[in-house]
Amino acid sequence: DAGVIQSPRHEVTEMGQEVTLRCKLISGHNSLFWYRQTMMRGLELLIYFNNNVPIDDSGMPEDRFSAKMPNASFSTLKIQPSEPRDSAVYFCASTWGYEQYFGPGTRLTVT
Amino acid sequence: ELKVEQNPLFLSMQEGKNYTIYCNYSTTSDRLYWYRQDPGKSLESLFVLLSNGAVKQEGRLMASLDTKARLSTLHITAAVHDLSATYFCAVRQGAGNMLTFGGGTRLMVKP
Repeated sequence: DAGVIQSPRHEVTEMGQEVTLRCKLISGHNSLFWYRQTMMRGLELLIYFNNNVPIDDSGMPEDRFSAKMPNASFSTLKIQPSEPRDSAVYFCASTWGYEQYFGPGTRLTVT
Repeated sequence: ELKVEQNPLFLSMQEGKNYTIYCNYSTTSDRLYWYRQDPGKSLESLFVLLSNGAVKQEGRLMASLDTKARLSTLHITAAVHDLSATYFCAVRQGAGNMLTFGGGTRLMVKP
């Protein structure tokens, strides 16, 4: 059973550009989470979907961030326009039962 | 607002020694997780604790949960270098699968 898949694994972009991060869930999992990890703020939950529906987006930092889950197995996190302070590792995770499984992460650098 | 605090934040220990990492949380919860993260890697699930008094062990690591005290411990027995990593606890908030993470404990085991 393949794990959570994220792409790209690394992204370097210039300030002002649009960035799209992608996540493919483990088959059969029904909840998806986007997290951001930085040295300063640790691991923060950005948004949580259950059965493709956004349940809580209170962690999304501002309107520049948006997330979609067009089907049960795929999600995107978009930042437009990107800023240097968005530089971080972005993880998605999916759940089955009690367990929450993390993807490998996307390291985003905005210059 | 749920707050999760870990201590210590950094731990340097000799191989063969025992130590305990503490995780305190501020509001009632019935589920607590421990994760391990190696540098540059994703989070790996270690334990899920589901009830008061729950104790789980895997190799040299043992986790316990006291929901009344809002405290979980991760005990390391006879540490070895391979245990060097950052350890996070996470607490479920509400009835869904949203987790709030502690700040992490960076463990270094020296020969």
